[in-house]
Amino acid sequence: DIQMTQSPSSLSASVGDRVTITCRASQSISSYLNWYQQKPGKAPKLLMYAASSLQSGVPSRFSGSGSGTDFTLTISSLQPEDFATYYCQQTYDTPFTFGPGTKVDIK
Amino acid sequence: EVQLVESGGGLVQPGGSLRLSCAASGFTFSYYWMNWVRQAPGKGLEWVANINQDGSEKYYVDSVKGRFTISRDNAKNSLYLQMNSLRAEDTAVYYCARVGDANNYESEYWGQGTLVTVSS
Repeated sequence: DIQMTQSPSSLSASVGDRVTITCRASQSISSYLNWYQQKPGKAPKLLMYAASSLQSGVPSRFSGSGSGTDFTLTISSLQPEDFATYYCQQTYDTPFTFGPGTKVDIK
Repeated sequence: EVQLVESGGGLVQPGGSLRLSCAASGFTFSYYWMNWVRQAPGKGLEWVANINQDGSEKYYVDSVKGRFTISRDNAKNSLYLQMNSLRAEDTAVYYCARVGDANNYESEYWGQGTLVTVSS
């Protein structure tokens, strides 16, 4: 199985900060990498797919990059509604594993 | 509007069985791969299984192989997860999710989830 890691596991940031979350795969997954946002008690929401494609309706302050094994999700200017947990997921090969998540909270 | 509504969760004893359903609407169900994803209390997301458009391809995470069966009824716009030999570690919120259009197998739309609790 492909293992996914994320760093950091949590971070504290202020509104307006630039935030970067890193995701690493245990083997090359080309660009089969997705990012999700989840708020407490809610279903996950797709933010990015295919590493760098912005899901329809997602604000442009979110961006994704990377290919192969190393990927990043960047929030250019953190907004109050962005405080949540973020997960990466590889869909290169089954099982479609998720990273352990990165919790973004208010500094 | 795409809607996915899960049902069938509840409390079950270890070793028992449960069948989850996911009712889909707002899109042509038979055109899309579908996923089941679960989340144990306070834990991260775990992909469980997926199924292709006509049900001829099914894939599972190792921890549920031989115990869980994913299926679909395109005439009823419904996805199912038959769960047998349930264990305490299967306790989770189970989400059904529709794959997107990008040939990337991402979970574009999600239901609200149904809670399965395995306990004596």
